[in-house]
Amino acid sequence: KAGVTQTPRYLIKTRGQQVTLSCSPISGHRSVSWYQQTPGQGLQFLFEYFSETQRNKGNFPGRFSGRQFSNSRSEMNVSTLELGDSALYLCASSLQGDTEAFFGQGTRLTVV
Amino acid sequence: GENVEQHPSTLSVQEGDSAVIKCTYSDSASNYFPWYKQELGKGPQLIIDIRSNVGEKKDQRIAVTLNKTAKHFSLHITETQPEDSAVYFCAASMGGSASKIIFGSGTRLSIRP
Repeated sequence: KAGVTQTPRYLIKTRGQQVTLSCSPISGHRSVSWYQQTPGQGLQFLFEYFSETQRNKGNFPGRFSGRQFSNSRSEMNVSTLELGDSALYLCASSLQGDTEAFFGQGTRLTVV
Repeated sequence: GENVEQHPSTLSVQEGDSAVIKCTYSDSASNYFPWYKQELGKGPQLIIDIRSNVGEKKDQRIAVTLNKTAKHFSLHITETQPEDSAVYFCAASMGGSASKIIFGSGTRLSIRP
């Protein structure tokens, strides 16, 4: 059974650009959550999607957005990139959101 | 909102000894407590979890205990092995949900040969 797949694994972007990250959940999982991991702030919850609807949201600015497709795949978008957005972005999938969450390997975003 | 504190931040133990990591949470509504292990270059891996209706759970060399009254929960690893070296995160979530997880700051565990 395939795990959570995140693409791309690495990205380098310039300040002011925008970026889109992709997450394919485990087959059958309908909940997808996104997290930002930095050395200073640790692991922080961004948002969760379930059945194409945002169900929970963390404390991040509106530059961070996401969406989920009918096949449960999810994308996360960050607009007007700042240096502080450099981080490992992790996606986690769960059957319904009320069972175990499994993480992908993450996308390492570097903003220069 | 929920806040999870984790101690210690680093832990070094002799191979074969036990390791204990402790966490506290602030919101009494939290009822799901997963533990994750993260190795270099990888995403967090769920190693064990516990729900608030259970006081203790064990899986081979790993055990987790939960004290709801004190809002404490702990991870115990016995007979540590070199492959246990990693960063460990405790976490808490509400509504039994794995979809909005609040993480502790992590413990870097090193196993000395």
